[in-house]
Amino acid sequence: DGGITQSPKYLFRKEGQNVTLSCEQNLNHDAMYWYRQDPGQGLRLIYYSQIVNDFQKGDIAEGYSVSREKKESFPLTVTSAQKNPTAFYLCASTTSGGVKEQFFGPGTRLTVL
Amino acid sequence: GENVEQHPSTLSVQEGDSAVIKCTYSDSASNYFPWYKQELGKGPQLIIDIRSNVGEKKDQRIAVTLNKTAKHFSLHITETQPEDSAVYFCAASTTSYDKVIFGPGTSLSVIP
Repeated sequence: DGGITQSPKYLFRKEGQNVTLSCEQNLNHDAMYWYRQDPGQGLRLIYYSQIVNDFQKGDIAEGYSVSREKKESFPLTVTSAQKNPTAFYLCASTTSGGVKEQFFGPGTRLTVL
Repeated sequence: GENVEQHPSTLSVQEGDSAVIKCTYSDSASNYFPWYKQELGKGPQLIIDIRSNVGEKKDQRIAVTLNKTAKHFSLHITETQPEDSAVYFCAASTTSYDKVIFGPGTSLSVIP
């Protein structure tokens, strides 16, 4: 059953701690994305990666870091430098070539205590 | 830069009525226009999409129309049901551009 998985579903973090959100896809997509969504708001792009070992900053990359060591995986680290990290984080991947059909994971809700 | 506007931001309709959400895009090179439905606490789900070589596409109670000249596209939901209540996002992308540009979303409430 193909799809995108994100874990954990809920995550709690103390101020000053780094935390890593997992995103895995078995759709054989080359491109993967991380978005942040605040309550009642739209999607803001954090980072994206078009290919393994390469990634680019999105609109709100400050305080976040990513890696892309495998095609299937695109973990996001929320660092202590992110001043307001409490949000809903969505991972997505996109079909390769031609039009970019983008599919989303179920999301991770991060709460900073 | 590329931008997608979406209206209205909130929409309430009576069950059984139709709902229409409209979007405009700025990049004339855009050639793919998906629509997503996001239920509370879940990731957005692709519900329908349209490509630039098509003017209209329908899937049961949902239809999308595209006017490339005016750079407008719309989502039409007929015979609305309470389970249609969600946030809907339109988006636009091009073959040559890395990103998908999303509209700000429309919160649809269907009143039983």
